[in-house]
Amino acid sequence: NAGVTQTPKFRILKIGQSMTLQCAQDMNHNYMYWYRQDPGMGLKLIYYSVGAGITDKGEVPNGYNVSRSTTEDFPLRLELAAPSQTSVYFCASSYIGDNYGYTFGSGTRLTVV
Amino acid sequence: ELKVEQNPLFLSMQEGKNYTIYCNYSTTSDRLYWYRQDPGKSLESLFVLLSNGAVKQEGRLMASLDTKARLSTLHITAAVHDLSATYFCAVKSNMDSNYQLIWGAGTKLIIKP
Repeated sequence: NAGVTQTPKFRILKIGQSMTLQCAQDMNHNYMYWYRQDPGMGLKLIYYSVGAGITDKGEVPNGYNVSRSTTEDFPLRLELAAPSQTSVYFCASSYIGDNYGYTFGSGTRLTVV
Repeated sequence: ELKVEQNPLFLSMQEGKNYTIYCNYSTTSDRLYWYRQDPGKSLESLFVLLSNGAVKQEGRLMASLDTKARLSTLHITAAVHDLSATYFCAVKSNMDSNYQLIWGAGTKLIIKP
């Protein structure tokens, strides 16, 4: 049971480039989330999804896009990368009602130069 | 706007000592989470507290929730080096219909042998 799998683990982007962070879960969780974590800070929600075909903005959505075509996959797209997007990105998933907490992926460390 | 404050933000302590981390939040909530993060690693769910007066214990860690005081505590008993990590609390507001958790900034705990 892999849980939540994120790829890549590390990436360096040049300003203005685009990329997609991949996230997949095999726990049949309905809810999926994308967070960013800046150094020494807590997590901030970028986007979330309550099921296939349904996504919504979180606290810091600007500069990002998501899609949820299947229950398993929730990719995060960065368009026109900026230095402010240098961060560690975590994908997470949970059951409906999240009484059991979230399961997090291992993270993607992104640097924009 | 829901705000979550943890204190202390940094704690260095000796093995064998007891200490408490505090998590205060600014609006009504009956759902609070504690997570652990090791350096460069992902987040691991420790406790999910779902009601006033909830108390959960795992090994040397015990978490409690007082919804009237809007306060959760994470108590460490007879600390050991392996508990060195950053601990986050996260809160879901009763006032929001979305699925956003608001995270504290984290408490970096260093336990010296």
